[in-house]
Amino acid sequence: GQNIDQPTEMTATEGAIVQINCTYQTSGFNGLFWYQQHAGEAPTFLSYNVLDGLEEKGRFSSFLSRSKGYSYLLLKELQMKDSASYLCAVKDNAGKSTFGDGTTLTVKP
Amino acid sequence: DSGVTQTPKHLITATGQRVTLRCSPRSGDLSVYWYQQSLDQGLQFLIQYYNGEERAKGNILERFSAQQFPDLHSELNLSSLELGDSALYFCASSVGSGGKETQYFGPGTRLLVL
Repeated sequence: GQNIDQPTEMTATEGAIVQINCTYQTSGFNGLFWYQQHAGEAPTFLSYNVLDGLEEKGRFSSFLSRSKGYSYLLLKELQMKDSASYLCAVKDNAGKSTFGDGTTLTVKP
Repeated sequence: DSGVTQTPKHLITATGQRVTLRCSPRSGDLSVYWYQQSLDQGLQFLIQYYNGEERAKGNILERFSAQQFPDLHSELNLSSLELGDSALYFCASSVGSGGKETQYFGPGTRLLVL
């Protein structure tokens, strides 16, 4: 089975940088996803990491360490519209994805 | 607009009934994924189809079944409905079957079982 942990809530200031951590335990690892979900809307794909290291995509970056079972999502130059829930999900070797409970990020002016 | 369509948007039914949810993937996408999102259990992966064949299975109950048709649209059938099946059901699609693919989510079907 798989176990995913991420903080329940985080608060940050507009223009700042925030890092959302995700730790996981899995019996077989085949990639880690980050999704953004605004209240009442469908999730939006942000990133997919399968190899160790940092992947940057605009204001968002995602990091993975497979040996530590650890990932983070880094959001730079925070905007009010970044207030949302951020979901970490791990895919196993059978292709099954398991999601964390999500981190609700509130961006304040 | 992700390009993924789901019908119906809302569905209200009674316990014991059966419903069918429909998903049309983005043009060119061969994979379809089904997810369930409820308040108490978060987002859960149910099942994935790729080009008509089942590719991966998640926490899908035996009362639920899905299929992907030759035109690549997919249907999720929920039977013997229980109150706890009330949730948002999302469909997503991607070009490939695994690896570094982007999944595009549809707007979801909100199911309420009374």
